[in-house]
Amino acid sequence: KAGVTQTPRYLIKTRGQQVTLSCSPISGHRSVSWYQQTPGQGLQFLFEYFSETQRNKGNFPGRFSGRQFSNSRSEMNVSTLELGDSALYLCASNSAGERSGYTFGSGTRLTVV
Amino acid sequence: SQQGEEDPQALSIQEGENATMNCSYKTSINNLQWYRQNSGRGLVHLILIRSNEREKHSGRLRVTLDTSKKSSSLLITASRAADTASYFCATDGSNSGYALNFGKGTSLLVTP
Repeated sequence: KAGVTQTPRYLIKTRGQQVTLSCSPISGHRSVSWYQQTPGQGLQFLFEYFSETQRNKGNFPGRFSGRQFSNSRSEMNVSTLELGDSALYLCASNSAGERSGYTFGSGTRLTVV
Repeated sequence: SQQGEEDPQALSIQEGENATMNCSYKTSINNLQWYRQNSGRGLVHLILIRSNEREKHSGRLRVTLDTSKKSSSLLITASRAADTASYFCATDGSNSGYALNFGKGTSLLVTP
């Protein structure tokens, strides 16, 4: 069974640009969550999608957005990048809404210069 | 916002010793989970304990939960060098929907 796949693994962007990150969940998992990890703030919840609907959103500015497709793949977008957006972005998937453990991808390391 | 707080922040032990990490949280929870992270890679789910459970075991792992004290502990017995990683507790509750609230983690170093 393939794990959660995140692409790309590494990304370098310039301030003001926008970026799109991709996440393919485990086959059959319909819930996809996104987290930002930084040394200062730790792991922070961005948003969660289930069957193409955003069910929960963390405390991030509107520059951070996401979506989920009918095949459960998800993308997150960050517009007008700031230096502080440099982080490891992690995607996690979970089977149909059950409150069980999440399977995380290896993450996308975003560096904003 | 951070819900869980792990203690200690860093722990260094020798192979064969036991490692104990603690986690405290602030609000009522449905479940508490422990994850491991190696060198800035993805998190690996270790164990989940529900709010109505007090203790759970999985291999060399033992987790306890005390909801009256809003705290949990993770015990790794007979540690190995491969256990070197950061360990995070994560909670979810009625106020957080499907979001996990993570602590800042305990960095465990196991030396041969």
